[in-house]
Amino acid sequence: AQKVTQAQTEISVVEKEDVTLDCVYETRDTTYYLFWYKQPPSGELVFLIRRNSFDEQNEISGRYSWNFQKSTSSFNFTITASQVVDSAVYFCALSEAGSGGSNYKLTFGKGTLLTVNP
Amino acid sequence: NAGVTQTPKFRILKIGQSMTLQCTQDMNHNYMYWYRQDPGMGLKLIYYSVGAGITDKGEVPNGYNVSRSTTEDFPLRLELAAPSQTSVYFCASSYVMSTQYFGPGTRLLVL
Repeated sequence: AQKVTQAQTEISVVEKEDVTLDCVYETRDTTYYLFWYKQPPSGELVFLIRRNSFDEQNEISGRYSWNFQKSTSSFNFTITASQVVDSAVYFCALSEAGSGGSNYKLTFGKGTLLTVNP
Repeated sequence: NAGVTQTPKFRILKIGQSMTLQCTQDMNHNYMYWYRQDPGMGLKLIYYSVGAGITDKGEVPNGYNVSRSTTEDFPLRLELAAPSQTSVYFCASSYVMSTQYFGPGTRLLVL
């Protein structure tokens, strides 16, 4: 069974600090996808990134970066020079390509509430 | 291109009432999903559909029903609402093996 653990329930930082959100996953599949979604106070879910299990290259997008390490089953998310607008709940999610390829459901972690204070 | 739309945004139900949460997508995605999000928790899958006429149960299907008569629409039916169904409901859609895009959510309160 697939599982996603976000051990950090809440993180509070001061603006311009760097912050890393941890994500550890469990899966028996060799083909899977990892995601990060942002849920701002307004409540919608915003897609940030998708990685497949065969691509371990780190990804950088502006102030956001992601570190995927299969050896530790982790897919951590770093925000550099955080801003107040980064305040949100961040979810890590896993999708397996198993079940004969007929499912692709997402398993979510419980989320990390990030508060960036001015 | 509206993406995934959901109606209503908010609803209060009395115990035992029924209602349908509407979900429509205009991206021609073949996969659609319903999730619920309880406070402090991640999202849990209720039902999903891989195409018109095909639906299947997710992790928490009890108390819900779905249908998929068209590619665009995937309504979620609550029969005999219970307080345990108080939650925020999200609909999502995707292509096969691709990113799921979510609607804005429906906040449901059962009293």
